[in-house]
Amino acid sequence: QQQVKQSPQSLIVQKGGISIINCAYENTAFDYFPWYQQFPGKGPALLIAIRPDVSEKKEGRFTISFNKSAKQFSLHIMDSQPGDSATYFCAADRYSSASKIIFGSGTRLSIRP
Amino acid sequence: GAVVSQHPSRVICKSGTSVKIECRSLDFQATTMFWYRQFPKKSLMLMATSNEGSKATYEQGVEKDKFLINHASLTLSTLTVTSAHPEDSSFYICSASTSDRTPDTQYFGPGTRLTVL
Repeated sequence: QQQVKQSPQSLIVQKGGISIINCAYENTAFDYFPWYQQFPGKGPALLIAIRPDVSEKKEGRFTISFNKSAKQFSLHIMDSQPGDSATYFCAADRYSSASKIIFGSGTRLSIRP
Repeated sequence: GAVVSQHPSRVICKSGTSVKIECRSLDFQATTMFWYRQFPKKSLMLMATSNEGSKATYEQGVEKDKFLINHASLTLSTLTVTSAHPEDSSFYICSASTSDRTPDTQYFGPGTRLTVL
């Protein structure tokens, strides 16, 4: 019930293409879904987040699509750039409490020039 | 934005020694701090949650006597790896959250690479 399943494990995309990473959760108590970007040897950084009251959130080239009934959400990176090469983690949390973030297993994204 | 620092960024120690890692929230008061461990190419594993002035809550399987956590102030938490062994070598990451911000987001530190020889 606490799991967040993330796929794919790794992804290679050509520069300029669209990178898509998918996640699914089980616990309907989660109401905050952040995505984190992590570069090698660094801590994760919050990239973008969404709450279940909206189906999509866009910030620059990054878009989260959210399907509440399917309990799925995905990250789309438009016009992917080599600098986007990193590991991406989806996560699930509860908005108003300092509760445990449940992380997905991560996706290693490589953007080919 | 919210900034969290960790010190040291890298540490190499001999087996049997203890190592202390500091986590500081630089521009906000962290009511709660979290300590994670990350193995290569793996996700973050939560070790413990600490609230300022109270004992840390450890996740199942994490030895509280081996990984001592102190959250003495609203801006500082420390993780001490006692009697470190090579299997404790890992990337340790802290995060901090505050109830003063909405949402109650966790802000992560840059991590500390521990190598035990």
